Amino acid sequence: TQLLEQSPQFLSIQEGENLTVYCNSSSVFSSLQWYRQEPGEGPVLLVTVVTGGEVKKLKRLTFQFGDARKDSSLHITAAQPGDTGLYLCAGAETSGSRLTFGEGTQLTVNP
Amino acid sequence: NAGVTQTPKFRVLKTGQSMTLLCAQDMNHEYMYWYRQDPGMGLRLIHYSVGEGTTAKGEVPDGYNVSRLKKQNFLLGLESAAPSQTSVYFCASSEQGALTEAFFGQGTRLTVV
Repeated sequence: TQLLEQSPQFLSIQEGENLTVYCNSSSVFSSLQWYRQEPGEGPVLLVTVVTGGEVKKLKRLTFQFGDARKDSSLHITAAQPGDTGLYLCAGAETSGSRLTFGEGTQLTVNP
Repeated sequence: NAGVTQTPKFRVLKTGQSMTLLCAQDMNHEYMYWYRQDPGMGLRLIHYSVGEGTTAKGEVPDGYNVSRLKKQNFLLGLESAAPSQTSVYFCASSEQGALTEAFFGQGTRLTVV
């Protein structure tokens, strides 16, 4: 099983601050997905990155896939309380059947 | 659109009891998955299915069994529940496996006492 390490595990910041969440592995993934999960709900897909070096933007969120397709980052600019939630990265194993999830980053944005 | 529906949403079991969790999807997806989520450990794959009549083991399959008799349904069974199986269980489905978006149910919170 390929492993994904996510950091930090917890992050508490003030509204308006910027933050970055990291997702790292020693393995190569076919693609990498980022999900956001709210309490009592299942994760919901934010973005999929496929190509090494790819950068995708979703409003104030910027996602990057490492050149070697072993790591990814999520950067949030000017965080808002509505960004509060659990952020999960998930890598698609080379078989294409399974996703490997990181441990998650619990983000709290205080007003 | 219902998407992925899990039943039940909550359950308390005594050690040694058995139960079945039901997952139903209405998106005609081939792939279905069962995960468990524990604090600080993300989502861990229990079993999955790549199509009707198929099942495969995931990362943490011990103590669980699954069946996919119909394409839209994926059942997760616990034959003899243990306290270590206290967790939140999520079912997911996707059109083309890990390369496409996974749609998740709302979860089942299971407590084994």
